[in-house]
Amino acid sequence: DIVMTQSPDSLAVSLGERATINCKSSQSVLSSSNNKNFLVWHQQKPGQPPKVLIYWASTRESGVPDRFSGSGSGTDFTLTISSLQAEDVAVYYCQQYYSAPLTFGQGTKVEIK
Amino acid sequence: EVQLVESGGGLVQPGGSLRLSCAASGFTFSSSWMTWVRQAPGKGLEWVANIKQDGSEIYYVDSVKGRFTISRDNAKNSLFLQMNNLRAEDTAVYYCASGGGFLFHYWGQGTLVTVSS
Repeated sequence: DIVMTQSPDSLAVSLGERATINCKSSQSVLSSSNNKNFLVWHQQKPGQPPKVLIYWASTRESGVPDRFSGSGSGTDFTLTISSLQAEDVAVYYCQQYYSAPLTFGQGTKVEIK
Repeated sequence: EVQLVESGGGLVQPGGSLRLSCAASGFTFSSSWMTWVRQAPGKGLEWVANIKQDGSEIYYVDSVKGRFTISRDNAKNSLFLQMNNLRAEDTAVYYCASGGGFLFHYWGQGTLVTVSS
């Protein structure tokens, strides 16, 4: 099984400042057949179901603000919120869809400082 | 608009059974892989199972193999999860999700399953 590890577990950022979340997979999720990383970022706001933010490691889902960006390849990935807004308070999860069992990181809680 | 509406959750005793349903609309259900993901109270997300468009490929997390069965009815745009021999550790909100392959883009609102005596 591919183990996904996020860091940090939580972070507090001032409004308008940058938030960075890291995600590491125990083995590469880069496919040699299509040169894509099978990595998705989900956002879960309090009391709500999760929502897809970014897939293929760096493609924003339709309607997602461009302050959210994803980067990385192979085993190391980053989700960046360039200018934190109040509505971005949530838990963020990375997840690999390279192979079953599909696995999630433990989540990173983002709060306002 | 894509809609996924789960139902069938509730309180059940250990060893009991429940059948969850997910009604889908707003997309071509028969062309989509479907997935169940669960979230224990206050915990993270755990993938449970997924099923290919025609049901020819099915995958489960090890902890539910032999107890849970995922199925679908493309004529009724519906996804199911039959859960048998339930344990306390199966207590969670169960979400259905839809997408292409192992990548799912849309989540339902979830249904709560509580296993307790």
